[in-house]
Amino acid sequence: QKEVEQDPGPLSVPEGAIVSLNCTYSNSAFQYFMWYRQYSRKGPELLMYTYSSGNKEDGRFTAQVDKSSKYISLFIRDSQPSDSATYLCAMSPSGGYNKLIFGAGTRLAVHP
Amino acid sequence: DAGVIQSPRHEVTEMGQEVTLRCKPISGHDYLFWYRQTMMRGLELLIYFNNNVPIDDSGMPEDRFSAKMPNASFSTLKIQPSEPRDSAVYFCASSSYPGQGGQETQYFGPGTRLLVL
Repeated sequence: QKEVEQDPGPLSVPEGAIVSLNCTYSNSAFQYFMWYRQYSRKGPELLMYTYSSGNKEDGRFTAQVDKSSKYISLFIRDSQPSDSATYLCAMSPSGGYNKLIFGAGTRLAVHP
Repeated sequence: DAGVIQSPRHEVTEMGQEVTLRCKPISGHDYLFWYRQTMMRGLELLIYFNNNVPIDDSGMPEDRFSAKMPNASFSTLKIQPSEPRDSAVYFCASSSYPGQGGQETQYFGPGTRLLVL
């Protein structure tokens, strides 16, 4: 079993839809949770990160962490075609530098 | 800042040949990472350096892979001899230590697409 599980999709939604992307993990030591966005033929870029449990909002994006269920989510409101990308979750046991463990990535397509 | 620079962007080679991938991290960053991305295995950390010193190379698949960082502004990943199963996108990333309580942000380069025939 992988430490981080993420459904690869693809996920196709109409413009304006609310998108929910999820990851589950098995290592209870993970404390930092990140979402990276990767456009086609580009490197991943950090979208959001959260520490421990709770929610974090940034514009149309909301990240949620439920440590009791070992489950994290990224919600995208009012999705746009420009949101079409692969979204990778990543996590590490503590701050500073620690090896990031990435999910497989979920491919999202938002069509007009 | 130009961001993380990688070269070449694409490489096509034949099995058995030596392949060298190059990376220039963001100036001032003291961590450098090499990743490999495939459809089957996703994004995998191969090795990372701190202040030019290799810290963890447990992700390097086998002795055919080697990485060096001779100075703070340059790193190479070498595959010798290359095999078809090495075909992947190789990313270099860099970051700086955020201080106690912070979380470092890794900045990725555009990647090198390697195809070994």
